[in-house]
Amino acid sequence: GQNIDQPTEMTATEGAIVQINCTYQTSGFNGLFWYQQHAGEAPTFLSYNVLDGLEEKGRFSSFLSRSKGYSYLLLKELQMKDSASYLCAVRAPYSGGGADGLTFGKGTHLIIQP
Amino acid sequence: DAGVIQSPRHEVTEMGQEVTLRCKPISGHNSLFWYRQTMMRGLELLIYFNNNVPIDDSGMPEDRFSAKMPNASFSTLKIQPSEPRDSAVYFCASSLRTSGGAGETQYFGPGTRLLVL
Repeated sequence: GQNIDQPTEMTATEGAIVQINCTYQTSGFNGLFWYQQHAGEAPTFLSYNVLDGLEEKGRFSSFLSRSKGYSYLLLKELQMKDSASYLCAVRAPYSGGGADGLTFGKGTHLIIQP
Repeated sequence: DAGVIQSPRHEVTEMGQEVTLRCKPISGHNSLFWYRQTMMRGLELLIYFNNNVPIDDSGMPEDRFSAKMPNASFSTLKIQPSEPRDSAVYFCASSLRTSGGAGETQYFGPGTRLLVL
């Protein structure tokens, strides 16, 4: 089975930096994804990690440690539009049949204050 | 380019009625996923298809739920009969399988908001 934990809610200040943590216990692992979801909208892809280390993409970075079952999403220079839910998701091992479905955490609701 | 298209965007129905949700994946994508999102349970995978073939339907909650993918550009999720606890947002997502199987990003449609009274 899969179990993914992330904080329910976080608050940060415009212009600051925030780190959203995600821990997972899974029966297998073939990649970790971060998605952003604004209220009433669909999730949109932010980042993907399959090897240990840091992946940077503009103001967003994501880190993975497979041995610790741990990832974080780092958001820099926060803007009001970054207020959203951030979803951590783990993909099962590649079964040879193609893309596998994702198991999502409950999401972290990030509130940006002026 | 058009993204994943879902219809209807909103559906209100009465308990016991049949509900059919529709999805058109991104052209060229060969994997399609149905998810359900509620406040209590978050985003859950219901079923997914590779090359129009159902691969894993272990997330389908009950026999009242069924999904089909008759061709590469169309899929349906049907609930019959519907119940109030089925009220949720249903998302369809698609991706392109690559030879290595890694980094296959899923792109989500706008969702169908279903309310069963």
